[in-house]
Amino acid sequence: AQSVAQPEDQVNVAEGNPLTVKCTYSVSGNPYLFWYVQYPNRGLQFLLKYITGDNLVKGSYGFEAEFNKSQTSFHLKKPSALVSDSALYFCAVRVILTGGGNKLTFGTGTQLKVEL
Amino acid sequence: DSGVTQTPKHLITATGQRVTLRCSPRSGDLSVYWYQQSLDQGLQFLIQYYNGEERAKGNILERFSAQQFPDLHSELNLSSLELGDSALYFCASSGGLGYNSPLHFGNGTRLTVT
Repeated sequence: AQSVAQPEDQVNVAEGNPLTVKCTYSVSGNPYLFWYVQYPNRGLQFLLKYITGDNLVKGSYGFEAEFNKSQTSFHLKKPSALVSDSALYFCAVRVILTGGGNKLTFGTGTQLKVEL
Repeated sequence: DSGVTQTPKHLITATGQRVTLRCSPRSGDLSVYWYQQSLDQGLQFLIQYYNGEERAKGNILERFSAQQFPDLHSELNLSSLELGDSALYFCASSGGLGYNSPLHFGNGTRLTVT
């Protein structure tokens, strides 16, 4: 089954320091990978996606992600964290279903806390 | 703002009741997805519609049903509600069946069953 795993429930980082939120995937065939962020009482906001091409993907709000096929990873990164980046981050993989439908399967989420 | 509108924002109801959650997708989006988010289950895919037709079904209970109307808005109907149905219900939309299109989520409906 196509899935993603987020091994860390919480990541703490000081403001101004680089941050990494980890994601590994298990996919047969080419993966379609996504990162989303969720602020309290809000919906999920799309940050970036990897479909094909460059392994370093740039997204919204200064975030980027590195696709690594050999390690089956798609880690989210930002060179300099902001307190306002504190939120819940989800990694997701597109799953193509029989009948022509599809869905995003999400990881369990990583709570990012950026402290002054 | 994602462009996806969900109503109502909050819903409090009693066990055994029936409720309807409504979703208006982004302008031009043909696909609508419903997700349930709870602390113990995380984000669970319920169902997908494309241009009025059901395309994929996930972990949707038989007590739950959905439809997408000709104007592309969608409704999720939850009946015979149980305490365990309390959760955040999200609607998302995307442009078509393209697998590289991201889903755009609404702000959700928080359902509390008492």
